[in-house]
Amino acid sequence: EEQVVESGGDLVQPGGSLKLSCVASGFTFSVSAIHWVRQASGKGLEWVGRIRTKTNSYATAYAASVKGRFFISRDDSKNTAYLQLNSLKTEDTAVYYCARLNYGLDVWGPGTTVTVSS
Amino acid sequence: DIVVTQSPDSLAVSLGDRATINCKSSQSLLYSSNNKNYLAWYQQKPGQPPKLLFHWASTREAGVPERFSASGSGTEFSLTISSLQAEDVAVYYCQQYYITPDTFGQGTRLEIK
Repeated sequence: EEQVVESGGDLVQPGGSLKLSCVASGFTFSVSAIHWVRQASGKGLEWVGRIRTKTNSYATAYAASVKGRFFISRDDSKNTAYLQLNSLKTEDTAVYYCARLNYGLDVWGPGTTVTVSS
Repeated sequence: DIVVTQSPDSLAVSLGDRATINCKSSQSLLYSSNNKNYLAWYQQKPGQPPKLLFHWASTREAGVPERFSASGSGTEFSLTISSLQAEDVAVYYCQQYYITPDTFGQGTRLEIK
């Protein structure tokens, strides 16, 4: 079964940092771009960013709301993508999903919850 | 950035009736070199991650019931459920992936009347 599973969500104070992981299984991770999407409670989906494959130079892109604070990386040997969240704000509180890109985001994880609060 | 706007924000339809959700993009999502529209549709049920229903604006994913259809090109798109079933209650999102950032519409909540 093709799946991705996120982890690393936690309660963190404003200004703090957190690193989320996205572990893939059941498909060839190294040839798949990975996207991160977040959803605040009761709100819609917000695209956060993505990382492409080695073939595409591991190119990353970010939403304006997180650019310069969030960073996406990947370790193909571990079938894992990461989302580093820095300088966290209360408005970053959300469920964070990773998803595989395959003509649309076709494999999603269950999400991991990040709460930014003092 | 491309702005994607869905209408309506919410929709109540009787069981067995047709439901249509619209999605409008602030610029064309049609890539001329391959004649593909870079738009996807998702369904999200409470407590679950989104599920991809269509890519390339109208290509149905495996396992999606045939009562779901999608169409459109350029800047205007639609998702239609021909005969609403109880299990179709969800929030539906369109997303453009023509250019980064890959923006989502605000979502349309579909309920039973």
